[in-house]
Amino acid sequence: QQQVKQSPQSLIVQKGGISIINCAYENTAFDYFPWYQQFPGKGPALLIAIRPDVSEKKEGRFTISFNKSAKQFSLHIMDSQPGDSATYFCAASMKGETSGSRLTFGEGTQLTVNP
Amino acid sequence: NAGVMQNPRHLVRRRGQEARLRCSPMKGHSHVYWYRQLPEEGLKFMVYLQKENIIDESGMPKERFSAEFPKEGPSILRIQQVVRGDSAAYFCASSPQPPSVVGEQYFGPGTRLTVT
Repeated sequence: QQQVKQSPQSLIVQKGGISIINCAYENTAFDYFPWYQQFPGKGPALLIAIRPDVSEKKEGRFTISFNKSAKQFSLHIMDSQPGDSATYFCAASMKGETSGSRLTFGEGTQLTVNP
Repeated sequence: NAGVMQNPRHLVRRRGQEARLRCSPMKGHSHVYWYRQLPEEGLKFMVYLQKENIIDESGMPKERFSAEFPKEGPSILRIQQVVRGDSAAYFCASSPQPPSVVGEQYFGPGTRLTVT
Protein backbone atom coordinates (compact mmCIF):
# COMPACT_ATOMS: atom_id res chain seq x y z
CA GLN A 1 0.00 0.00 0.00
CA GLN A 2 3.00 2.25 0.43
CA GLN A 3 4.35 1.61 -3.04
CA VAL A 4 4.55 4.02 -5.93
CA LYS A 5 4.82 2.38 -9.33
CA GLN A 6 6.62 4.24 -12.11
CA SER A 7 6.84 3.61 -15.85
CA PRO A 8 8.54 3.38 -18.22
CA GLN A 9 11.90 2.30 -16.84
CA SER A 10 13.66 4.05 -19.70
CA LEU A 11 12.59 6.50 -22.36
CA ILE A 12 14.26 7.82 -25.49
CA VAL A 13 12.89 10.98 -27.07
CA GLN A 14 14.02 13.17 -29.91
CA LYS A 15 14.91 16.78 -29.27
CA GLY A 16 11.77 18.89 -29.34
CA GLY A 17 9.50 15.98 -28.52
CA ILE A 18 7.29 15.37 -25.48
CA SER A 19 8.50 13.10 -22.70
CA ILE A 20 5.80 11.44 -20.60
CA ILE A 21 6.44 9.51 -17.41
CA ASN A 22 3.66 7.87 -15.42
CA CYS A 23 3.19 6.93 -11.80
CA ALA A 24 0.48 5.14 -9.86
CA TYR A 25 -0.10 4.84 -6.14
CA GLU A 26 -2.35 2.85 -3.81
CA ASN A 27 -2.44 4.75 -0.56
CA THR A 28 -5.18 7.41 -0.67
CA ALA A 29 -3.61 9.11 2.35
CA PHE A 30 -0.82 10.46 0.16
CA ASP A 31 -1.31 14.20 -0.24
CA TYR A 32 1.85 15.51 -1.86
CA PHE A 33 3.34 14.31 -5.12
CA PRO A 34 6.75 15.69 -6.14
CA TRP A 35 8.94 14.87 -9.09
CA TYR A 36 12.69 14.79 -8.73
CA GLN A 37 15.40 15.01 -11.37
CA GLN A 38 18.72 13.30 -10.78
CA PHE A 39 21.89 13.59 -12.84
CA PRO A 40 24.63 10.96 -12.54
CA GLY A 41 26.64 11.38 -9.36
CA LYS A 42 24.30 14.02 -7.97
CA GLY A 43 21.48 14.13 -5.47
CA PRO A 44 17.83 14.35 -6.53
CA ALA A 45 16.62 17.88 -7.18
CA LEU A 46 13.00 18.89 -6.71
CA LEU A 47 11.51 19.67 -10.11
CA ILE A 48 7.81 20.24 -9.60
CA ALA A 49 5.14 19.06 -7.16
CA ILE A 50 1.38 18.88 -6.90
CA ARG A 51 -1.31 18.37 -4.27
CA PRO A 52 -4.44 16.30 -4.97
CA ASP A 53 -6.79 19.28 -4.89
CA VAL A 54 -5.68 20.31 -8.40
CA SER A 55 -5.60 18.27 -11.61
CA GLU A 56 -2.71 19.99 -13.32
CA LYS A 57 0.29 22.13 -12.52
CA LYS A 58 2.60 23.71 -15.04
CA GLU A 59 6.04 25.24 -14.55
CA GLY A 60 7.80 26.21 -17.73
CA ARG A 61 8.20 23.11 -19.90
CA PHE A 62 7.21 20.77 -17.07
CA THR A 63 3.61 19.80 -16.33
CA ILE A 64 2.15 17.41 -13.78
CA SER A 65 -1.22 15.88 -14.57
CA PHE A 66 -3.04 14.35 -11.62
CA ASN A 67 -5.99 11.94 -11.70
CA LYS A 68 -7.22 11.43 -8.17
CA SER A 69 -9.91 8.86 -9.00
CA ALA A 70 -7.44 6.70 -10.90
CA LYS A 71 -4.68 7.31 -8.35
CA GLN A 72 -2.29 8.22 -11.10
CA PHE A 73 -0.10 11.17 -11.93
CA SER A 74 2.28 11.94 -14.74
CA LEU A 75 5.10 14.25 -15.72
CA HIS A 76 5.11 15.83 -19.16
CA ILE A 77 8.25 17.50 -20.48
CA MET A 78 7.46 19.65 -23.47
CA ASP A 79 10.06 20.54 -26.10
CA SER A 80 12.49 18.04 -24.58
CA GLN A 81 16.15 19.02 -24.74
CA PRO A 82 19.37 16.99 -24.50
CA GLY A 83 20.04 18.74 -21.18
CA ASP A 84 16.90 17.08 -19.82
CA SER A 85 18.61 13.70 -20.08
CA ALA A 86 18.57 12.43 -16.50
CA THR A 87 16.77 10.01 -14.22
CA TYR A 88 13.34 11.16 -13.05
CA PHE A 89 11.68 9.94 -9.89
CA CYS A 90 8.10 10.41 -8.84
CA ALA A 91 7.37 10.35 -5.15
CA ALA A 92 4.55 10.66 -2.67
CA SER A 93 4.22 11.65 0.93
CA MET A 94 1.56 12.21 3.54
CA LYS A 95 1.18 14.14 6.76
CA GLY A 96 1.91 12.31 9.94
CA GLU A 97 3.26 12.93 13.38
CA THR A 98 5.81 10.15 13.17
CA SER A 99 6.28 9.84 9.43
CA GLY A 100 6.97 13.52 8.98
CA SER A 101 7.17 14.14 5.28
CA ARG A 102 8.98 10.94 4.38
CA LEU A 103 8.94 10.30 0.68
CA THR A 104 8.04 7.06 -1.04
CA PHE A 105 9.79 6.97 -4.40
CA GLY A 106 9.02 5.29 -7.67
CA GLU A 107 11.65 3.15 -9.31
CA GLY A 108 12.87 5.90 -11.62
CA THR A 109 12.84 6.57 -15.36
CA GLN A 110 16.05 7.10 -17.27
CA LEU A 111 15.30 9.71 -19.94
CA THR A 112 17.56 10.19 -22.93
CA VAL A 113 16.88 13.06 -25.30
CA ASN A 114 18.67 12.66 -28.62
CA PRO A 115 19.89 15.76 -30.41
CA ASN B 1 22.71 29.89 0.81
CA ALA B 2 24.53 26.64 1.24
CA GLY B 3 22.52 23.58 0.40
CA VAL B 4 22.49 20.28 2.21
CA MET B 5 26.05 19.14 2.71
CA GLN B 6 27.21 15.58 2.96
CA ASN B 7 30.64 14.15 3.57
CA PRO B 8 32.51 12.26 2.59
CA ARG B 9 31.29 12.12 -1.01
CA HIS B 10 32.93 8.77 -1.53
CA LEU B 11 33.81 6.22 1.12
CA VAL B 12 35.52 2.89 0.70
CA ARG B 13 35.43 0.39 3.54
CA ARG B 14 36.48 -3.21 3.89
CA ARG B 15 34.02 -5.76 5.15
CA GLY B 16 33.73 -5.57 8.93
CA GLN B 17 34.76 -1.92 9.23
CA GLU B 18 32.57 0.94 10.35
CA ALA B 19 31.21 3.66 8.08
CA ARG B 20 30.22 7.12 9.33
CA LEU B 21 28.28 9.39 7.02
CA ARG B 22 27.66 13.02 7.88
CA CYS B 23 24.92 15.40 6.87
CA SER B 24 24.60 19.11 7.55
CA PRO B 25 21.09 20.34 6.72
CA MET B 26 20.31 23.62 5.05
CA LYS B 27 20.46 26.64 7.30
CA GLY B 28 17.27 26.93 9.29
CA HIS B 29 16.25 23.33 8.66
CA SER B 30 15.76 21.15 11.72
CA HIS B 31 14.35 18.01 10.09
CA VAL B 32 16.63 15.43 8.50
CA TYR B 33 15.81 12.34 6.46
CA TRP B 34 18.16 9.61 5.31
CA TYR B 35 17.55 7.57 2.16
CA ARG B 36 19.46 4.74 0.55
CA GLN B 37 19.74 4.18 -3.19
CA LEU B 38 20.92 0.81 -4.35
CA PRO B 39 22.34 0.57 -7.89
CA GLU B 40 19.64 0.90 -10.56
CA GLU B 41 16.94 1.41 -7.93
CA GLY B 42 14.91 4.21 -6.45
CA LEU B 43 15.51 5.81 -3.09
CA LYS B 44 14.29 4.04 0.02
CA PHE B 45 13.49 5.86 3.24
CA MET B 46 15.62 4.90 6.22
CA VAL B 47 15.14 7.31 9.12
CA TYR B 48 13.64 10.67 10.06
CA LEU B 49 15.22 12.77 12.78
CA GLN B 50 14.77 16.09 14.45
CA LYS B 51 17.33 17.67 16.71
CA GLU B 52 18.19 15.15 19.46
CA ASN B 53 15.25 12.92 18.50
CA ILE B 54 14.71 9.93 16.25
CA ILE B 55 11.14 10.31 15.05
CA ASP B 56 10.79 7.39 12.62
CA GLU B 57 13.36 4.68 12.02
CA SER B 58 11.02 2.19 10.41
CA GLY B 59 13.17 2.01 7.28
CA MET B 60 16.40 1.23 9.08
CA PRO B 61 17.79 -2.31 9.10
CA LYS B 62 17.39 -3.73 12.58
CA GLU B 63 21.06 -4.39 13.13
CA ARG B 64 24.31 -2.53 12.46
CA PHE B 65 22.64 0.75 11.44
CA SER B 66 22.09 3.74 13.68
CA ALA B 67 21.49 7.46 13.25
CA GLU B 68 21.69 10.56 15.36
CA PHE B 69 21.15 14.28 15.03
CA PRO B 70 22.74 15.98 18.03
CA LYS B 71 21.94 19.43 19.33
CA GLU B 72 25.17 20.69 17.85
CA GLY B 73 26.80 19.37 14.69
CA PRO B 74 25.74 17.29 11.74
CA SER B 75 23.48 14.29 11.57
CA ILE B 76 25.41 11.01 11.51
CA LEU B 77 24.43 7.74 9.87
CA ARG B 78 26.57 4.96 11.27
CA ILE B 79 26.95 1.50 9.78
CA GLN B 80 28.84 -1.02 11.85
CA GLN B 81 30.55 -4.12 10.47
CA VAL B 82 29.77 -3.23 6.88
CA VAL B 83 28.99 -5.95 4.34
CA ARG B 84 29.07 -5.82 0.54
CA GLY B 85 25.29 -5.41 0.43
CA ASP B 86 25.68 -2.04 2.16
CA SER B 87 27.33 -0.63 -0.97
CA ALA B 88 24.98 2.11 -2.12
CA ALA B 89 24.48 5.83 -2.33
CA TYR B 90 23.20 7.35 0.89
CA PHE B 91 21.31 10.61 0.61
CA CYS B 92 20.37 13.06 3.28
CA ALA B 93 17.49 15.49 2.86
CA SER B 94 16.34 18.34 5.04
CA SER B 95 13.19 20.36 5.44
CA PRO B 96 12.20 23.32 7.58
CA GLN B 97 8.58 22.37 8.16
CA PRO B 98 7.04 20.41 10.99
CA PRO B 99 5.37 17.15 9.88
CA SER B 100 1.87 18.53 9.43
CA VAL B 101 2.82 21.00 6.74
CA VAL B 102 4.38 20.85 3.28
CA GLY B 103 6.37 17.82 2.15
CA GLU B 104 9.22 19.57 0.42
CA GLN B 105 12.67 18.12 0.97
CA TYR B 106 16.03 19.22 -0.33
CA PHE B 107 18.63 16.60 -0.98
CA GLY B 108 22.35 16.60 -0.53
CA PRO B 109 24.80 15.23 -3.12
CA GLY B 110 25.02 11.88 -1.37
CA THR B 111 27.76 9.64 -0.03
CA ARG B 112 28.69 6.72 -2.22
CA LEU B 113 29.76 3.84 -0.03
CA THR B 114 31.73 0.99 -1.52
CA VAL B 115 32.43 -2.07 0.57
CA THR B 116 35.29 -4.22 -0.67
